[in-house]
Amino acid sequence: AQKVTQAQTEISVVEKEDVTLDCVYETRDTTYYLFWYKQPPSGELVFLIRRNSFDEQNEISGRYSWNFQKSTSSFNFTITASQVVDSAVYFCALSLSNFGNEKLTFGTGTRLTIIP
Amino acid sequence: DAGITQSPRHKVTETGTPVTLRCHQTENHRYMYWYRQDPGHGLRLIHYSYGVKDTDKGEVSDGYSVSRSKTEDFLLTLESATSSQTSVYFCAVNRDPAYEQYFGPGTRLTVT
Repeated sequence: AQKVTQAQTEISVVEKEDVTLDCVYETRDTTYYLFWYKQPPSGELVFLIRRNSFDEQNEISGRYSWNFQKSTSSFNFTITASQVVDSAVYFCALSLSNFGNEKLTFGTGTRLTIIP
Repeated sequence: DAGITQSPRHKVTETGTPVTLRCHQTENHRYMYWYRQDPGHGLRLIHYSYGVKDTDKGEVSDGYSVSRSKTEDFLLTLESATSSQTSVYFCAVNRDPAYEQYFGPGTRLTVT
């Protein structure tokens, strides 16, 4: 069975600081996919990234970056120069894709608060 | 938002009553999912569908049934609601070809 652990339940940082959200996963499969989602106070789930297990290159998108390390089974998410709008709950998730059928296993989420 | 709507958005019902939640998508995606979100658990998969009339169970399927008679609609039914089914329910679809999973706005269900 798969498992995703987000050990940081809540994090608070002052605006403009950098912050890293940790995600550790467990799976015996060699082919899998990792996701991050953002859930702002309004409640919707916003897709941020999907990364497959064969691609260990780091990804950068504006102030967001992701560090995938198979050796430590981690897929960490860093926000650079944080802003108040980054305040949200962030979820990491794992799937064993089967020809497009992605059943996600989620972590319990990290609540990030950016203090102005 | 991948053209996903959920109805109702909020519902309060009494223990023992049947409840049906609807997920509607406009982009003809094959795969659809129902998750529930509870504090301390993140989101957990209830049921999923891989085509019209093709469905299967997820991690927390007890007490729930689903149906998909049309590509665009995926229904989640609580045959006899219990207080433990108070939750926020999210529908999701996989968007081809990148298979990025997008979620609907959610339904907040309270069982009293």
